[in-house]
Order: sequence, then structure tokens, then C-alpha cells
Amino acid sequence: SQTIHQWPATLVQPVGSPLSLECTVEGTSNPNLYWYRQAAGRGLQLLFYSVGIGQISSEVPQNLSASRPQDRQFILSSKKLLLSDSGFYLCAWSIEGPQHFGDGTRLSIL
Amino acid sequence: GDSVTQMEGPVTLSEEAFLTINCTYTATGYPSLFWYVQYPGEGLQLLLKATKADDKGSNKGFEATYRKETTSFHLEKGSVQVSDSAVYFCALSDRGKLTFGKGITLSVRP
Repeated sequence: SQTIHQWPATLVQPVGSPLSLECTVEGTSNPNLYWYRQAAGRGLQLLFYSVGIGQISSEVPQNLSASRPQDRQFILSSKKLLLSDSGFYLCAWSIEGPQHFGDGTRLSIL
Repeated sequence: GDSVTQMEGPVTLSEEAFLTINCTYTATGYPSLFWYVQYPGEGLQLLLKATKADDKGSNKGFEATYRKETTSFHLEKGSVQVSDSAVYFCALSDRGKLTFGKGITLSVRP
């Protein structure tokens, strides 16, 4: 069966520091991969999605970037974090069906 | 563009009460519809889905029917339990992209 892993589960970072969140999927090949952000009291916002290695689409302009160095690996990065980057970050995968989510990373910026 | 509108929350019910959470959508194509549930501190889990008009999705006592004429996908459960306390998201998928509603928090009292 397919599983999705995100880490770390929680992260506290100072303003201006870099960020790297990792997501991996097991048990499937060539999935579509997604990064979402859920800000406090708000819905989910799609940040990036990828249909294959090296293929990244950005949904909103922002301080973040994404990369897909391997088929089942999706990385969310930032060179310099802003206070507004705080939130709950969720990775998801899909193959011609509903999306399946990881457990998320709670990011707090100090 | 596509959009999903959920009723305003939060909702507080007593155990064994009947639950209805309203969801309406707008879409240019023929979307699939989903309900996701997010338990405290966790990622999203797919609760149920419907892929075409008049389909009924069901899981764990929850049901929702895809109503094309009213562009709705209301979530219902006949008798809620304390363990159903969570945030519920309605979503549509059109050409592979998910659009979420803002979510609604359900609290069930013993």
C-alpha cells in the first residue's frame, strides 16, 4: 500500500533563516505531488504541484520554492523565512484520483 | 474559476444528534467531489467521494450525495459521536487540481 511521509512534524525557525521540508511517497510510481499551506483559521492554499521529476508549477507568488529531485521526493524550501510563512504545511500525492495527505509540518517563525 | 463554499462554523452538537454540513460549488467542468476530515494535529484524511451526478459517497456513517441541479454536496450523519470532533473540508477536483472550502470545525459534546 502507498504511504506518505513528511518531516519534521514541528519546526521553530527564526526570521531570515532557511527552510527545507521534505516529503516522500512509498508504494507508487510517478505520482502527482502537492504542497499546501494551512494558515491558522483559514482553509488550504495550494502552493506547488508537480507531475514529474523536475516539473514544478507554482500557484501563488511567494517566498517559497519547491523541487522534485526524485520521482517520489518533494521538497519545500526558502532562502529567508518571513513571519508570514508560519503555518501548517501539508504534502499530498495522487494518481488519477483523490489526493492523499501526509501528517503535516507545523512551522512557527519567531 | 472553481470554488467551494461551506457553511459558517463552528458547529457544536450533543452526542447522537443529527449532523448536516452544507457545501456548494461552482465549476466550469465536471468535477469530482470530496469530503476530507482533519483530526486535531493531523493531516487530512479522505472521508468520502463522489465522481458524478447523483452518486452517493459514504463512510463511517457519513453520507453525501452529488447534486448537480443544486451544485451541492452536503455532508450528513444520523448520530454523531464525540470521536467525530474534527475539521471537515469539502473539496472539488477538476482536471487534477483540488479546490477546498474553508473548512468547518465540529465539536461533539458527551
